[in-house]
Amino acid sequence: QVQLVESGGGVVQPGRSLRLSCVASAFTFSSYGMHWVRQAPGKGLEWVAFISYDGSNKYYADSVKGRFTISRDNSRNTLYLQMNSPRVEDTAVYYCAKSQGNFYFDYWGQGTLVTVSS
Amino acid sequence: EIVLTQSPATLSLSPGERVTLSCRASQSVSNYLAWYQQKPGQAPRLLIYDASNRATGIPARFSGSGSGTDFTLTISSLEPEDFAVYYCQQRGNWPPITFGQGTRLEIK
Repeated sequence: QVQLVESGGGVVQPGRSLRLSCVASAFTFSSYGMHWVRQAPGKGLEWVAFISYDGSNKYYADSVKGRFTISRDNSRNTLYLQMNSPRVEDTAVYYCAKSQGNFYFDYWGQGTLVTVSS
Repeated sequence: EIVLTQSPATLSLSPGERVTLSCRASQSVSNYLAWYQQKPGQAPRLLIYDASNRATGIPARFSGSGSGTDFTLTISSLEPEDFAVYYCQQRGNWPPITFGQGTRLEIK
């Protein structure tokens, strides 16, 4: 069945960089848009970024625009989130999610925890 | 940005009861609304999309309705595994995609 596996989380200092990865399997990765969604500890869900199936279109939440970059490598079935200049308020579990036709999230990874702390 | 407001914040009910959760949008999202269920330590699971369509594998006791600004998720008869947090999500006018703050469904 569809599987999304995130990695790359950990503790990072404010202002440093971190790259998250999400490896997809059991579906045609190159045919679907993908998202990153995050959840701060004990809080609700926040959409972070979207990339179209071919990488030609990218959209970001205002809270991360200019600091985070979403990208993908369809030859490796892998989605990325480059986190530059992270802030304490970026601390969260980051989920990758497959985009269903009308930009809902029909499959999710298990999440990777990012803690921004000095 | 479209704000989604869910009510109530918390509900305490017993298995077998019927429950209706509410989600109100700050402006019309047409029928571009979804519902998710999240259990502790797990990723969310898509239940309903386009306001009233059940996602693959979702039991028939879950149903969604509404359009424009007012939406509801109904569980016809609560099973023990249904106690969780429920989120609504809109993509009617995006970016950004936004979520409601969640409704926690607790066992009474």
